[in-house]
Amino acid sequence: DSGVTQTPKHLITATGQRVTLRCSPRSGDLSVYWYQQSLDQGLQFLIQYYNGEERAKGNILERFSAQQFPDLHSELNLSSLELGDSALYFCASSVTGEGHYGYTFGSGTRLTVV
Amino acid sequence: AQKVTQAQTEISVVEKEDVTLDCVYETRDTTYYLFWYKQPPSGELVFLIRRNSFDEQNEISGRYSWNFQKSTSSFNFTITASQVVDSAVYFCALTLYNQGGKLIFGQGTELSVKP
Repeated sequence: DSGVTQTPKHLITATGQRVTLRCSPRSGDLSVYWYQQSLDQGLQFLIQYYNGEERAKGNILERFSAQQFPDLHSELNLSSLELGDSALYFCASSVTGEGHYGYTFGSGTRLTVV
Repeated sequence: AQKVTQAQTEISVVEKEDVTLDCVYETRDTTYYLFWYKQPPSGELVFLIRRNSFDEQNEISGRYSWNFQKSTSSFNFTITASQVVDSAVYFCALTLYNQGGKLIFGQGTELSVKP
């Protein structure tokens, strides 16, 4: 157990729907990162939050949004889902806002859009 | 722009063979950090090693060793006496000092170790 908890582990939904992925960081970690892993794009950085504030943004679609709550858990919202959004979504956390020391990944949420 | 290239998409070896996974990176920054992660069939990403750009010492951890060469922008990973449990996808990644910790991943190398 890495200490980073992602729920749900699997999600199957239809095109056009909206889903929310949840991440609880490791105890004491202030920063949360979201990554998408797909066959064609590989592992892509989506967005980072540090202590409730957005810190960095990657290739995140406008249909996707995220937030980090006061208790430091984070949610990634995916809306108007398309078949191409099917992927493994990882959350990771680190103590600081800089990932120089590496960070700990959760086990991922596998999203299937049908 | 920064980039990480893992040219070997798939490698297949027989147990007890040594295997080297290549990683070449591109950045103009002088301060950066390199990582290797392992993704076993179960899907999670497991941290293996971190190296900063000022530390070119090679590192050995059990059967694993890493060779960092700034002159060739490479950070290669060798598994000695491979085992079936080493079968996984291995990712090399790069982050810069002032990028907020965003990791730039290579495409990964799928290693298959056959008994």
